[in-house]
Order: sequence, then C-alpha cells, then structure tokens
Amino acid sequence: QSALTQPPSASGSPGQSVTISCTGTSSDVGGYNYVSWYQQHPGKAPKLMIYEVSKRPSGVPDRFSGSKSGNTASLTVSGLQAEDEADYYCSSYAGSNNFDVVFGGGTKLTVL
Amino acid sequence: EVQLVESGGGLVQPGGSLRLSCAASGFTFSSYDMHWVRQATGKGLEWVSAIGTAGDTYYPGSVKGRFTISRENAKNSLYLQMNSLRAGDTAVYYCARSSADRGNAFDIWGQGTMVTVSS
Repeated sequence: QSALTQPPSASGSPGQSVTISCTGTSSDVGGYNYVSWYQQHPGKAPKLMIYEVSKRPSGVPDRFSGSKSGNTASLTVSGLQAEDEADYYCSSYAGSNNFDVVFGGGTKLTVL
Repeated sequence: EVQLVESGGGLVQPGGSLRLSCAASGFTFSSYDMHWVRQATGKGLEWVSAIGTAGDTYYPGSVKGRFTISRENAKNSLYLQMNSLRAGDTAVYYCARSSADRGNAFDIWGQGTMVTVSS
C-alpha cells in the first residue's frame, strides 16, 4: 500500500495554531475512523498524540486536536509552544488484514 | 512503569540474519497485540509486523517470507527473526504495543534498536 501524504514541513509562532494534513484514499483514511497521530522528537521514540481520528490519550494537552473529512485527516496544534517542535506522523488502518497499517511520510513542525 | 526495551540490533552482512528481542514490563503482555515498526535514518515510519494475542501474525509485502514475528508470553517477550537481510532493511526497529480500546493505535513504544545491513 502507498504511504499517506503529509506536507514535509509546517511552522508557526508561539501561541499560534498550525494544522497538518494527511491525505489517503477511500481504502484507508476515508474508509475507517482509525487515524492516529504520533509526535517524535529527535532521537526519541514516537509518542501517541491522537487516536481514532480525534481522541486524546490521557496526558496529551488539549491543544492537540484531530479531525477528518473524506480522505484527509488533520492534526491541529493550538497555542503553539516551543516543545511542540517535532516530527509528526499520521497513520491509518488500511484494511487488508487485522493490522494493516500505513503511515504518512511525516511533517517537521517548526516553532518560529 | 509500562515499558518496552528492545535489544539485538547490530551490523550484519547482506543476506545474513538477525534476531531482535523486546522485553515488556508494567502491563499484562499476553493481553495485547504487539508490533515491530522501523524507521530508516531521516525517513518515516514503516509497519513491519504484528502478532495478535492468539499468536496470529501479519506482515507487509516488503518483509513477508523473510521476517518472522513471535512472542513468548511466559517471558513477557516479543521477537523478530530477520532473514535474507538487504541494505534497505537498515533502520531503527521499534517494538510497539497496540491497544484495542484506542483503535489499535500504537500507545507504547520502546526506545528502538539499530540494524545496519552492510558489507
């Protein structure tokens, strides 16, 4: 399966909001409400930020929110803080087996 | 503390084999589906394999027939046997847990172990 499409970079100033898109197809993003978002700081393991399109695990600030429209999912980070600077990856269930998962190529978020 | 710790990475020649291990602690290992996800340097994440609680296994086409995932619940351990390794398999390999009550998202990750395939 093909990777999901994310913009390579995004940026915003402290306090601003930034939205990162994740485009797939009707066979993955558009077909299921199983989109997740992960944050990865340099040299660290990914961290789950959003699951099932818009749900936040405990401990994730409510500045992070997720949504989906058709074949495109989005992650919005509101009230940008310096520590939000990281790589962000989306993923989606892709349906060919119980655990078929496809990731996006990642977006580098820079806090200006 | 819920934790996953990978080991077994290293340098291997093309065509060679390597076995990765992942030690789980802080949760009931047998109750969770487990995965391996890899990341080449400077690149994105790629799902490599999964094993369900019943021992059912799943692979993407890129590794099917070369990689084997297994688990030993009595030892709270996950394994990845990698055979016929290629330069393109060079990456950090992460062990990850997925949670059914979180839409099978990967909610716990290990720190990763580096695998380098080179002559």
